[in-house]
Amino acid sequence: EIVLTQSPDFQSVTPKEKVTITCRASQSIGSSLHWYQQKPDQSPKLLIKYASQSFSGVPSRFSGSGSGTDFTLTINSLEAEDAATYYCHQSSSLPYTFGQGTKLEIK
Amino acid sequence: QVQLQESGPGLVKPSGTLSLTCAVSGGSIGSNNWWSWVRRPPGKGLEWIGETYHSGSTNYNPSLQSRVTISVDKSNNQFSLRLSSVTAADTAVYYCARRFGGFDSWGQGTLVTVSS
Repeated sequence: EIVLTQSPDFQSVTPKEKVTITCRASQSIGSSLHWYQQKPDQSPKLLIKYASQSFSGVPSRFSGSGSGTDFTLTINSLEAEDAATYYCHQSSSLPYTFGQGTKLEIK
Repeated sequence: QVQLQESGPGLVKPSGTLSLTCAVSGGSIGSNNWWSWVRRPPGKGLEWIGETYHSGSTNYNPSLQSRVTISVDKSNNQFSLRLSSVTAADTAVYYCARRFGGFDSWGQGTLVTVSS
């Protein structure tokens, strides 16, 4: 099973700040890495697919990069509505797995 | 735009069977996608349970494989989850989702509590 490790687990940030969340895979997964945003009492929403492809309707301040084992989600000019937990997910091999999540708090 | 909606009992007794259905609207379950179940236990992260294709092919998480059955009902455009021998550890919000690479459409989720 491929283990995904996100860092940090928690981050408190101010609006307009730039945020970087990393996801490291226990073995190479190519570009089969996806990012989600989940707000309380809501279902997860796909932000980035295949490491760097923005999903339809997602604000341009969200971007992704990386390949192999190291991936990054970047949020430029953070907005208050971005307070949420963010997850990475790999679809390279079964069983599909998620990172443990990164909770973003807006100061 | 495809929409998914979970339905089923919110309370299941220990050792019983959890049964949920996901109705798909705005699109065909026969399309080139996999249809998955994902859960989130209270205070924990997301866990992939398994998936089915419209042909009936399935993939399961080995951690649950002995207890899980996922099936597709093309005539009603829906798919289902059965999880047997449940314990309190199976208490979670259960989501159905469409996968085409990433999970691009999700149901709203349904809380299932395992308790006597």
